[in-house]
Amino acid sequence: KAGVTQTPRYLIKTRGQQVTLSCSPISGHRSVSWYQQTPGQGLQFLFEYFSETQRNKGNFPGRFSGRQFSNSRSEMNVSTLELGDSALYLCASSPAGGSQETQYFGPGTRLLVL
Amino acid sequence: AQTVTQSQPEMSVQEAETVTLSCTYDTSESDYYLFWYKQPPSRQMILVIRQEAYKQQNATENRFSVNFQKAAKSFSLKISDSQLGDAAMYFCAYRSWGETSGSRLTFGEGTQLTVNP
Repeated sequence: KAGVTQTPRYLIKTRGQQVTLSCSPISGHRSVSWYQQTPGQGLQFLFEYFSETQRNKGNFPGRFSGRQFSNSRSEMNVSTLELGDSALYLCASSPAGGSQETQYFGPGTRLLVL
Repeated sequence: AQTVTQSQPEMSVQEAETVTLSCTYDTSESDYYLFWYKQPPSRQMILVIRQEAYKQQNATENRFSVNFQKAAKSFSLKISDSQLGDAAMYFCAYRSWGETSGSRLTFGEGTQLTVNP
């Protein structure tokens, strides 16, 4: 089975712009979670989607949003970008998002905000 | 809220030797899961080992084993016969048990492991 894929892998934006990142889970996986990784804050949970519904949300401002499509692919959007949004964004998938399941991570999208 | 602490920002080990990475966590829950993930320079997060809190037996995966002390809320990772490919950032992670908790992982700060030839 193909692993979790994320596109694009690298992105450069300027402050005030918006950005959309995409994540395709492992075939058959219906839960997709997003994490932000920065040197200062470490790895932080953004949100989780399951069956096109947001099931869990981390402590991030409303500028961060996401959605999931019927094929389980997920996108996250960041509006009005700030310098502090520069980070590695990781997505992870699991079959149903159950707490006993292992999450499999994608390679990440590195976002640089100038 | 749960917290995970890794007090060793950096560790080094000689090839073929054994190294132990420390992790402590804070929770009021009785059932949960603990994980060690590895992040090599490629930045891909790879699961190393997992432990269910209700299991008393420590998990083992080949050269990787854990020392899970539930009462002390400690979850250390031991790497035996260290190899150059083990060099990476290692993250300890916590996940609550239960249907409503979903997939949220709480990570520690990470420990950068260097393996010297």
